[in-house]
Amino acid sequence: AQSVTQPDIHITVSEGASLELRCNYSYGATPYLFWYVQSPGQGLQLLLKYFSGDTLVQGIKGFEAEFKRSQSSFNLRKPSVHWSDAAEYFCAVGDGSSYKLIFGSGTRLLVRP
Amino acid sequence: DTEVTQTPKHLVMGMTNKKSLKCEQHMGHRAMYWYKQKAKKPPELMFVYSYEKLSINESVPSRFSPECPNSSLLNLHLHALQPEDSALYLCASSHQGQGEAFFGQGTRLTVV
Repeated sequence: AQSVTQPDIHITVSEGASLELRCNYSYGATPYLFWYVQSPGQGLQLLLKYFSGDTLVQGIKGFEAEFKRSQSSFNLRKPSVHWSDAAEYFCAVGDGSSYKLIFGSGTRLLVRP
Repeated sequence: DTEVTQTPKHLVMGMTNKKSLKCEQHMGHRAMYWYKQKAKKPPELMFVYSYEKLSINESVPSRFSPECPNSSLLNLHLHALQPEDSALYLCASSHQGQGEAFFGQGTRLTVV
């Protein structure tokens, strides 16, 4: 069965510092991988996605993620965090045919001024 | 237009009330979803409609009744809810066969 693990419940970084949020997945075939961001009380916004091809994908708001098949990982990175990046981040995996998205438990990002 | 619009944004209802949540998208997507999200938890899939037909029901209690009147609209009819049903209800849509989903802003439901 598909599963997604986000090992970090909370991460705190200083504004301007770099960021890496971890995501590990379990899936038999090539997965469709996503990162979503959610501000309090809001819906989810898609940051980026990986379906195939280049394993380093660029997203919105300066985020990028790298797919590493050997490590079953899809970590999210940003070189310089802004205070407005404080939010909940969800990694998700889909198989592209069943319409199901399996979400990780989320990582809450706090940004110190 | 890349938006999924949900109404109302907030809803307070009693346990004997009947209410409906509405969702609309104009991206030509043929799959639409209802998710339920409790505080500090990830979204949980409730229903999936594909080409206006219910394709997935994740064993949701019958007090939640989905409806897809056409390819752009999705409703969730609520009846005899319990306080534990209070949550953020998210609608989403996607192209058929792809997992990339676009989410609405959600309806914050409180059952009293």
